[in-house]
Amino acid sequence: QVQLQESGPGLVKPSQTLSLTCTVSGGSISSGGYYWSWIRQHPGKGLEWIGYIYYSGSTYYNPSLKSRVTISVDTSKNQFSLKLSSVTAADTAVYYCARALVVAATFFDYWGQGTLVTVSS
Amino acid sequence: QSVLTQPPSVSAAPGQKVTISCSGSSSNIGNNYVSWYQQLPGTAPKLLIYDNNKRPSGIPDRFSGSKSGTSATLGITGLQTGDEADYYCGTWDSSLSAYYVFGTGTKVTVL
Repeated sequence: QVQLQESGPGLVKPSQTLSLTCTVSGGSISSGGYYWSWIRQHPGKGLEWIGYIYYSGSTYYNPSLKSRVTISVDTSKNQFSLKLSSVTAADTAVYYCARALVVAATFFDYWGQGTLVTVSS
Repeated sequence: QSVLTQPPSVSAAPGQKVTISCSGSSSNIGNNYVSWYQQLPGTAPKLLIYDNNKRPSGIPDRFSGSKSGTSATLGITGLQTGDEADYYCGTWDSSLSAYYVFGTGTKVTVL
């Protein structure tokens, strides 16, 4: 059973960089076949896809966030990470990591529990 | 605002059926597979339906999905109190810049 767990600061100051890590257990990121994703949910709102990465390092980002987002992978630690720069209060959200199967279709079959990140001074 | 539109809420009594629509366009639903997610209060989303109408292992057949043209539909039969949750559709959007998009979400209330 694949499990994902987000970790990182719950409070980030405006203009700084939000950094989160997702640790994967029960499966190896480097085995391939899946993309490793970040998705966020603003308080009381819907889901927003941020982007995802393949174990090889190939990345795909939401165009609305692309200029501020970097997703990276560390296969030796079975982790992948999110960096979101120049944050504002509008980036306050619950951030989820998830596994995506990307074949003919794209869907997210395993999710972390989510972590709330608040942007405030 | 999402390019996939869902009704904000639907409701029905226990045992009844509800359907949730997800309306898009040719750049998303019309040319891509749709998946559906259930988000129980205070929890992470859970995959309910993928490839328009397939259920992952462990998802009861009370949940069904379909797609026609630029719209998709999630059906829930034999409604239970435990089905009270938010439901989201999702698919790839291939317009100007390709990206994955979720629907606006629908709150299911069991009366």
